[in-house]
Amino acid sequence: TQLLEQSPQFLSIQEGENLTVYCNSSSVFSSLQWYRQEPGEGPVLLVTVVTGGEVKKLKRLTFQFGDARKDSSLHITAAQPGDTGLYLCAVQGGSEKLVFGKGTKLTVNP
Amino acid sequence: KAGVTQTPRYLIKTRGQQVTLSCSPISGHRSVSWYQQTPGQGLQFLFEYFSETQRNKGNFPGRFSGRQFSNSRSEMNVSTLELGDSALYLCASSFRTSTYTDTQYFGPGTRLTVL
Repeated sequence: TQLLEQSPQFLSIQEGENLTVYCNSSSVFSSLQWYRQEPGEGPVLLVTVVTGGEVKKLKRLTFQFGDARKDSSLHITAAQPGDTGLYLCAVQGGSEKLVFGKGTKLTVNP
Repeated sequence: KAGVTQTPRYLIKTRGQQVTLSCSPISGHRSVSWYQQTPGQGLQFLFEYFSETQRNKGNFPGRFSGRQFSNSRSEMNVSTLELGDSALYLCASSFRTSTYTDTQYFGPGTRLTVL
């Protein structure tokens, strides 16, 4: 059983559209991280959310941590081709061990 | 500050062979973690080294091993390669003490193909 379930698995949209991807679990977490991985590269940390209900914004990206700290969402406004990549959520699974969801592969077409 | 570097970037091996991958962490980072990424299983934790000691290990067979040197550089070794070992192997480094854990920074990975 996967600790973190991400949906959708694949998403292909046109430039300028909005989208939301989800990261869900039945477990409670003290914090949750979102990464973006571009082809041929390693994941890059976008944000860490810590408080239940917390909303963080990074330019056109809005991250929300669920009130119960079991789930999180990432909303992208007016997507651009540069947003293309694999979006991963992750939680700490014990000292230095990150546990990742399987990711949402986003393609933004010009 | 230079990022995490991994060598080689691409590697092709045949079943039964062994392979060694190298990771140089960000200067000043003493913790190095290794992950395996496959389309089916996603990113999975292999092990973590801190101050030349393995501190944490994932659920992988003993064919997967690693070590860390005094300059914090790390290597991982996979012996008796199987087709299923084909994956992107990622290394991540972080500044870590016994009571504090910082963000992990990932390298670009080594793409291993086993034929």
